[in-house]
Amino acid sequence: QVQLQESGPGLVKPSETLSLTCTVSGDSISTYYWNWIRQPPGKGLEWIGYIYYSGRTNYNPSLKSRVTISIDTSKNQFSLELSSVTAADTAFYYCARGLRDSGTYYTRTFDCWGQGTLVTVSS
Amino acid sequence: QSALTQPPSASGSPGQSVTISCTGTSSDVGGYNSVSWYQHHPGKAPKLMIYEVFKRPSGVPDRFSGSKSGNTASLTVSGLQAGDEADYYCSSYAGSNSLVFGGGTKLTVL
Repeated sequence: QVQLQESGPGLVKPSETLSLTCTVSGDSISTYYWNWIRQPPGKGLEWIGYIYYSGRTNYNPSLKSRVTISIDTSKNQFSLELSSVTAADTAFYYCARGLRDSGTYYTRTFDCWGQGTLVTVSS
Repeated sequence: QSALTQPPSASGSPGQSVTISCTGTSSDVGGYNSVSWYQHHPGKAPKLMIYEVFKRPSGVPDRFSGSKSGNTASLTVSGLQAGDEADYYCSSYAGSNSLVFGGGTKLTVL
């Protein structure tokens, strides 16, 4: 059974870059779309972006200028970098797999998630 | 403020049915059949319950069903069980490469 686990610093200073890694176990990363989603405490979810194993990416237009998602198929990991962070970027960050059903990719539907990691932006 | 509107709370007794609504606009819920629902027990990984408005992933009980009318999608949970108590979120494709979520509904089993 596939499992996803987020890792990275829980505290980032304002104006710096937030970096997180998602490790995928139980399945090859070289098949699906892989996503990052976040949820500020007490608020709703926000899709950040996805990467396909080929390296093709797609980002939320509202975050596109600050987001980079990369993938390392040899390690079965993908990563998120969010630059120039502010307190508004404080959130639980989740990695998630895009659904594939009967050969169809649903890039906006997530069938497997990590437990999430809280990243706080503060000096 | 979330793009899709969900009631903050819903409740029902064991065995009863409860319906959670998710209201958007013609630019998201009303314009695409790409509505999903997620169950989230705090501290755990969210779980996909419904996708493409009414489809259930394998392993999700048929007590969970989805529908849509106009700009409002709905998740119905029948035969409520204690384990159904969780937060539920809807999402919808909104065109132009965007995805929007609801603010979440806390379902309480009385």
